[in-house]
Amino acid sequence: TQLLEQSPQFLSIQEGENLTVYCNSSSVFSSLQWYRQEPGEGPVLLVTVVTGGEVKKLKRLTFQFGDARKDSSLHITAAQPGDTGLYLCAGVDDYKLSFGAGTTVTVRA
Amino acid sequence: SAVISQKPSRDICQRGTSLTIQCQVDSQVTMMFWYRQQPGQSLTLIATANQGSEATYESGFVIDKFPISRPNLTFSTLTVSNMSPEDSSIYLCSGQVQTAQYFGPGTRLLVL
Repeated sequence: TQLLEQSPQFLSIQEGENLTVYCNSSSVFSSLQWYRQEPGEGPVLLVTVVTGGEVKKLKRLTFQFGDARKDSSLHITAAQPGDTGLYLCAGVDDYKLSFGAGTTVTVRA
Repeated sequence: SAVISQKPSRDICQRGTSLTIQCQVDSQVTMMFWYRQQPGQSLTLIATANQGSEATYESGFVIDKFPISRPNLTFSTLTVSNMSPEDSSIYLCSGQVQTAQYFGPGTRLLVL
């Protein structure tokens, strides 16, 4: 059973546009993490959110954690081709990660 | 942080054979994990590699099929035994440093 659902599954946008990726969990984890994975590489951690209502910013990336700590979003402002990749959310419990299905983002130049 | 390397990076194997994947971390980590991933899809945790004791397997994965060794705090191996085409996948290891997991680049396996 997939505990974390991500949407959309695929996203293709033009350079300079904004995008949002969503992650919804059927249960509450101790924290939630977002990763980006490029072809031929392992996932790279972008952020960890812990507190309900938390907002974190990483340059053009904004991460929100819902008040109930079950949903999260990743917003990218003025996307660039370098943002292309597979974005994965993961629930963390006792150091073990449960990954969502991922969102493949393509930013066209 | 931690830098993780895996060998081999890819392999093509015949069904019925076994392949051992090596994972090396550049620093000591308390926990190491093995995952499986279909290209472009999610990662599924196979097991936690425990140093000095038997690995802890997730539901659907068994030691006879995926034996794991972890002789020290910087190295682990995963063997895919008696392979079938259904085992074709990307296998990744990771190491835990504080609250972050660092991943290797993966081993892409094709079983014919």
